[in-house]
Amino acid sequence: EFVLTQSPGILSLSPGDRATLSCRASQSVISNYLAWYQQRPGQAPRLLIYGASNRADGIPDRFSGSGSGTDFTLTISRLEPEDFAVYYCQQYGISPRFTFGPGTKVDF
Amino acid sequence: QMHLQESGPGLVRASETLSLTCTVSGGSISSGGSYWGWVRQSPGGGLEWIGDIYFTGVTHYNPSLMSRLIISLDTSKNQVSLELTSAAATDTGVYYCARLRNSHFVPHCFEFWGQGAHVTVSS
Repeated sequence: EFVLTQSPGILSLSPGDRATLSCRASQSVISNYLAWYQQRPGQAPRLLIYGASNRADGIPDRFSGSGSGTDFTLTISRLEPEDFAVYYCQQYGISPRFTFGPGTKVDF
Repeated sequence: QMHLQESGPGLVRASETLSLTCTVSGGSISSGGSYWGWVRQSPGGGLEWIGDIYFTGVTHYNPSLMSRLIISLDTSKNQVSLELTSAAATDTGVYYCARLRNSHFVPHCFEFWGQGAHVTVSS
């Protein structure tokens, strides 16, 4: 069974800090089809990064993605107050077609 | 700007059918190459892919839901629909519709999301 694991579960930081979030896959992700989403309370997820390292339209450049194979990272260079949210990774291609990680909460 | 809006009953009785509609504006659901999907979020916060449909009507379903699930397109109303039969308490959650990002015919992530519809399945 394919599994995405995210760490840490909770990341306690302050505005201006650098955030590093990890997503690890139990098998190599096909063609690096790995995406990252941000979800603020009461809102739908928002696409941040696709293809492991491509920023979606309108996403600030303080967000960056990296990695390949089974290990991926989302970095937020300097946290803004609106960045305190839950972040999910998601893969495409390995059954069941789309899988999400359990999320990392970035907490103030 | 594309806008997606889910609608449907917020309360469904167990064993009945959970039905939701996603109305799309700012784009056509039948435009070439477009994929439309459903994702749900449990009360505990986990996200689960339900299924998706290509503009031609070809569907892909989560194997765990396949036996109870139908996703369809209504091009006259520019709507995507979801029907989940034999609803159970474990189907309670927020249901999102989304347009998938298609790169070289690969629908690899969820680009635009609706605001979500809260559904409670009661016994």
